[in-house]
Amino acid sequence: QKEVEQDPGPLSVPEGAIVSLNCTYSNSAFQYFMWYRQYSRKGPELLMYTYSSGNKEDGRFTAQVDKSSKYISLFIRDSQPSDSATYLCAILKTSYDKVIFGPGTSLSVIP
Amino acid sequence: EAGVTQFPSHSVIEKGQTVTLRCDPISGHDNLYWYRRVMGKEIKFLLHFVKESKQDESGMPNNRFLAERTGGTYSTLKVQPAELEDSGVYFCASSREWDGRNNEQFFGPGTRLTVL
Repeated sequence: QKEVEQDPGPLSVPEGAIVSLNCTYSNSAFQYFMWYRQYSRKGPELLMYTYSSGNKEDGRFTAQVDKSSKYISLFIRDSQPSDSATYLCAILKTSYDKVIFGPGTSLSVIP
Repeated sequence: EAGVTQFPSHSVIEKGQTVTLRCDPISGHDNLYWYRRVMGKEIKFLLHFVKESKQDESGMPNNRFLAERTGGTYSTLKVQPAELEDSGVYFCASSREWDGRNNEQFFGPGTRLTVL
């Protein structure tokens, strides 16, 4: 069983739509949960970083973690064409540990 | 502040040849990580340096891969001899010394390696 599962998409939405991206993980030892955004031919860029269960909001982005069900979500409100990228969920056991990535979901926001 | 830089951006070599990838971390970052993404798979960890010491090399696939970090600054990853399955994108990341809070890893743009 993979440590992180993520629907690879691709996902295509119209501009202004609400986007929901989801991941599940297998090991309850993981403590840190992240979403990275990766544009084509670029490295991953940290978007959201959470430690505990619950919601964390940053502008149009909301990360949600449910440790009881091992479920991680990212919501993007009022999606923009500039949000078109691959979104990678990622987990850590400790804050300085290696990052374990999901396979990524490719998102296209159509003007 | 300059980000993580990697060189070359793209390398095409033939099977059996040697390739050396270089990573320059953000200045002052003690932690340096190597990851790679092979076709169709997720990004996977290779190894972790703390300054010049290897903290964790559990992700290194085999002894054809050799990573070094001279003086705790830049790092090189050598593949010798390269095989077809080594093709992929190799990412480097760095982070500062752990301060008890989060420890964001900043990623470089990657080196795209193609082995023919």
